[in-house]
Amino acid sequence: DAGITQSPRHKVTETGTPVTLRCHQTENHRYMYWYRQDPGHGLRLIHYSYGVKDTDKGEVSDGYSVSRSKTEDFLLTLESATSSQTSVYFCATKGASGGALEQYFGPGTRLTVT
Amino acid sequence: QKEVEQDPGPLSVPEGAIVSLNCTYSNSAFQYFMWYRQYSRKGPELLMYTYSSGNKEDGRFTAQVDKSSKYISLFIRDSQPSDSATYLCAMSGRSAGGTSYGKLTFGQGTILTVHP
Repeated sequence: DAGITQSPRHKVTETGTPVTLRCHQTENHRYMYWYRQDPGHGLRLIHYSYGVKDTDKGEVSDGYSVSRSKTEDFLLTLESATSSQTSVYFCATKGASGGALEQYFGPGTRLTVT
Repeated sequence: QKEVEQDPGPLSVPEGAIVSLNCTYSNSAFQYFMWYRQYSRKGPELLMYTYSSGNKEDGRFTAQVDKSSKYISLFIRDSQPSDSATYLCAMSGRSAGGTSYGKLTFGQGTILTVHP
């Protein structure tokens, strides 16, 4: 298994509170991604990173921000959580070697916003 | 309209059946086509990938890509209860280092149950 951990694994929070999810990898992969998974939508890309301090928006980035200050950590922040952000969040990583295609996924964080 | 469409099922088959899972897409720039398998309450894992059109076989699994029809399929032969999972198709326009940064576009996922 790729060394990807996510914390916390489960969280319940109230509307309007800030929430930060952490992804930690030990693979020294260059690329990191945050997805959310909801019934009927599959996995949708929130933000991604192509290097330390290099990040960009994905398909569903509104209400989310990210930071990557070192290779191994990618943080996802919900500045003011809303009920529509109740979801399962997955972090993924990918190496940069030629031809590398596979994204490796973490175990997920189940977030409930009440 | 979504870039990638996948029938969410659910699909329930008896053990030993041949399973066919499909996705259609609209973006002609997609070149890499993947199938991920996701067990309940786990992260997805790459099952197979193909580049451009053609077939690829790996044991009981066969992936097919028809770029002219913008249609991809995954076939599972002699299905087993351990194949019960959600299957997600995913597509990418470039490999690592390309301008897409390896971003994937996923289908909605098909829930498969193989019963003994």
